[in-house]
Amino acid sequence: NAGVTQTPKFRVLKTGQSMTLLCAQDMNHEYMYWYRQDPGMGLRLIHYSVGEGTTAKGEVPDGYNVSRLKKQNFLLGLESAAPSQTSVYFCASSKGRMTFFGQGTRLTVV
Amino acid sequence: GQQVMQIPQYQHVQEGEDFTTYCNSSTTLSNIQWYKQRPGGHPVFLIQLVKSGEVKKQKRLTFQFGEAKKNSSLHITATQTTDVGTYFCAGYTNAGKSTFGDGTTLTVKP
Repeated sequence: NAGVTQTPKFRVLKTGQSMTLLCAQDMNHEYMYWYRQDPGMGLRLIHYSVGEGTTAKGEVPDGYNVSRLKKQNFLLGLESAAPSQTSVYFCASSKGRMTFFGQGTRLTVV
Repeated sequence: GQQVMQIPQYQHVQEGEDFTTYCNSSTTLSNIQWYKQRPGGHPVFLIQLVKSGEVKKQKRLTFQFGEAKKNSSLHITATQTTDVGTYFCAGYTNAGKSTFGDGTTLTVKP
């Protein structure tokens, strides 16, 4: 039982490049979330999903897209990376009363 | 949109002193969750409060949810060095959308 697994853990992108962050959970959770965390700040919700095949916008969705084709996976895409997207990205999943976070992906856009 | 304010931003205490962080939402919440994040780590779920006026205890930690379901607090009695980290509250709506406070960073002087 691995919980919530994020790949990759680190990535450096050049401005304008694209990439996909993968989140996988093995707990059969319905809800999944993508957050970004900037230094000294809390987590800001980018997109979330309440079930397979559904997605919704969070606080800061611009510049990101997501897909939830399978219940266990939640993908976060950056089509054209910008320096403002340099951040630590956390994926989370929940069912009922507990939420579990992945270890995070540290993304730097230069 | 929904806003969650958390105070104080930082708290420095002597080991053995008490610590409290407060969370206030601009809207009525479905539930509120508390997390702890160690430096360089990921948020770890502590507890979820659902009922108006709810009080829950975990050893030296006491969590409260306000009667109006718009505010919450976390109180730590007799802090220890293992309590250091940033404590976040997150308010959830009925639609499953979450908003995190900016966190309170606790440092404990031995």
